[in-house]
Amino acid sequence: QKEVEQNSGPLSVPEGAIASLNCTYSDRGSQSFFWYRQYSGKSPELIMSIYSNGDKEDGRFTAQLNKASQYVSLLIRDSQPSDSATYLCAVSASGTSYGKLTFGQGTILTVHP
Amino acid sequence: SQTIHQWPATLVQPVGSPLSLECTVEGTSNPNLYWYRQAAGRGLQLLFYSVGIGQISSEVPQNLSASRPQDRQFILSSKKLLLSDSGFYLCAWSVWSSGWQETQYFGPGTRLLVL
Repeated sequence: QKEVEQNSGPLSVPEGAIASLNCTYSDRGSQSFFWYRQYSGKSPELIMSIYSNGDKEDGRFTAQLNKASQYVSLLIRDSQPSDSATYLCAVSASGTSYGKLTFGQGTILTVHP
Repeated sequence: SQTIHQWPATLVQPVGSPLSLECTVEGTSNPNLYWYRQAAGRGLQLLFYSVGIGQISSEVPQNLSASRPQDRQFILSSKKLLLSDSGFYLCAWSVWSSGWQETQYFGPGTRLLVL
């Protein structure tokens, strides 16, 4: 059973701080990694994708990937109350001909003013 | 640009009744399509995926079925709903880049409550 583990939280940070979300995965052959944001009652929205080791930055978001450690993280700089949501880590499954994703349970982030 | 529609947005059905949820994608052709379920307080579970018309693969055995009658239409069905079928049903489509990178985007979802 391929697994994706996330800290369930909730993670609470003050406005303006850096929020750090972590994810580990068990499938060593995984090639694609994604972070989705899901507001309460809404569908997941893609924030970041990352495919190679290192950092990838997009605005206030930075995704970090370390395939040797089977670890992917998401940093949110200058956190805003509007960032309060559940963040889902998704990892592609190896050995498939389609984009099968395994999702973590999600980390609830609360940014308080 | 591509858009994905799902309907209905919410549905309340009695146990034992049939189900039909529809998903359509606009602005792309021959997408991979996916049905997920998210039960309350739980993660996303892949139910079905389709790589083309009439091509359906099931990930989890259950009383649900899926069909793809047209290139950009994906339907989730059941003949008799169970209480455990309650949840948030999400349709997703994917786009390929760089030959091997596939990214999935979700529709707005259908919230189903079986009573």
